Amino acid sequence: GQNIDQPTEMTATEGAIVQINCTYQTSGFNGLFWYQQHAGEAPTFLSYNVLDGLEEKGRFSSFLSRSKGYSYLLLKELQMKDSASYLCAVPRGTGGFKTIFGAGTRLFVKA
Amino acid sequence: NAGVTQTPKFRVLKTGQSMTLLCAQDMNHEYMYWYRQDPGMGLRLIHYSVGEGTTAKGEVPDGYNVSRLKKQNFLLGLESAAPSQTSVYFCASRPGDRGTLYFSSSYEQYFGPGTRLTVT
Repeated sequence: GQNIDQPTEMTATEGAIVQINCTYQTSGFNGLFWYQQHAGEAPTFLSYNVLDGLEEKGRFSSFLSRSKGYSYLLLKELQMKDSASYLCAVPRGTGGFKTIFGAGTRLFVKA
Repeated sequence: NAGVTQTPKFRVLKTGQSMTLLCAQDMNHEYMYWYRQDPGMGLRLIHYSVGEGTTAKGEVPDGYNVSRLKKQNFLLGLESAAPSQTSVYFCASRPGDRGTLYFSSSYEQYFGPGTRLTVT
């Protein structure tokens, strides 16, 4: 939606590291979110970046480059429970009232 | 705190029938949203509200109406259901603006568990 692009699917092995990329339109930037969504469940918040650089939170890190309109989510020491969809999202409009979501990346973690 | 709740959890409608989905939040959030989620398309914004008594259209508003008569409730109505409205519907809420972009709590959305609607 509205030029937020993410890969559709990725597969990785338990214990490995995986990087999920997201590109977005840079105009009217109000920050960028990553959400995790397990099958049949609601999305839950993972991270928020508004400044360039890497934000680390345990096994998950999120990177942002505002000039390139690019972000990635880095998952380390993958566990089976990390199998889920990962949604990139950007607030849009005055005050960031509307959040536009990418289609999500389905991550499969295999043993 | 129950957070964000949605009723019903599941519903099957026939084409042309009407129904209302109810979203309730107990976090005193200003903003509330209705999304639909379809395979391969992610979450699409239907309508949203920035406060009691106000609503606005999102990306895909056609065929839906909303009301926000009380701050804690946001209702989504389908007046004449169509098979194209078969989807999973999520409600979300978030606090109002705090005058800065630099606090994630200003923009993080809290989602309800979803309503799975099938229109036959």
